[in-house]
Amino acid sequence: GAVVSQHPSWVICKSGTSVKIECRSLDFQATTMFWYRQFPKKSLMLMATSNEGSKATYEQGVEKDKFLINHASLTLSTLTVTSAHPEDSSFYICSARPFSGSEQFFGPGTRLTVL
Amino acid sequence: SQELEQSPQSLIVQEGKNLTINCTSSKTLYGLYWYKQKYGEGLIFLMMLQKGGEEKSHEKITAKLDEKKQQSSLHITASQPSHAGIYLCGADKTGNTPLVFGKGTRLSVIA
Repeated sequence: GAVVSQHPSWVICKSGTSVKIECRSLDFQATTMFWYRQFPKKSLMLMATSNEGSKATYEQGVEKDKFLINHASLTLSTLTVTSAHPEDSSFYICSARPFSGSEQFFGPGTRLTVL
Repeated sequence: SQELEQSPQSLIVQEGKNLTINCTSSKTLYGLYWYKQKYGEGLIFLMMLQKGGEEKSHEKITAKLDEKKQQSSLHITASQPSHAGIYLCGADKTGNTPLVFGKGTRLSVIA
């Protein structure tokens, strides 16, 4: 089956630092990947759509300069949280859609804690 | 904008009892997904429904999509503690758009 991995699975960082989260499709190519965030006891909120070879599309209210997304290859998208603050602490989940097909496959998530 | 209402928000059932979770969209969907999540963990795919009137079952979990493709229900028969978790429905509007999720239903199963 289609597998999506995320790295790291958890990260703790100091306020003001930047953190990079990787999302990889392991056994398929994904022209489109999606980034979600989830606050405790809340549902998943779409942050942005990552398109291979082009700029990401951000949802309303998501700061593109703060959450940098790069989709450099058909199997890798990265989310960089720049100048992280405690309010950025959250659970970040990515998903990937195969080149052919409509189903989305989700990664296991990355828990970010900003001190 | 797409609205996806999920109910109930939380549910506590006694082990062995049946339960149903509902998910309603304000618009006709391309597809409807059901996931289970343990707190702080990733999503576990349960089922995907794309055809009006479709019904799928896996072990003790059955999901249905109505003919209009706007409402889905997830039914668990003879619930067990292992069924506890957060159930999320995700709506696919066109087959080419990201999933939009309901607020989730937190299920607790007590012995």
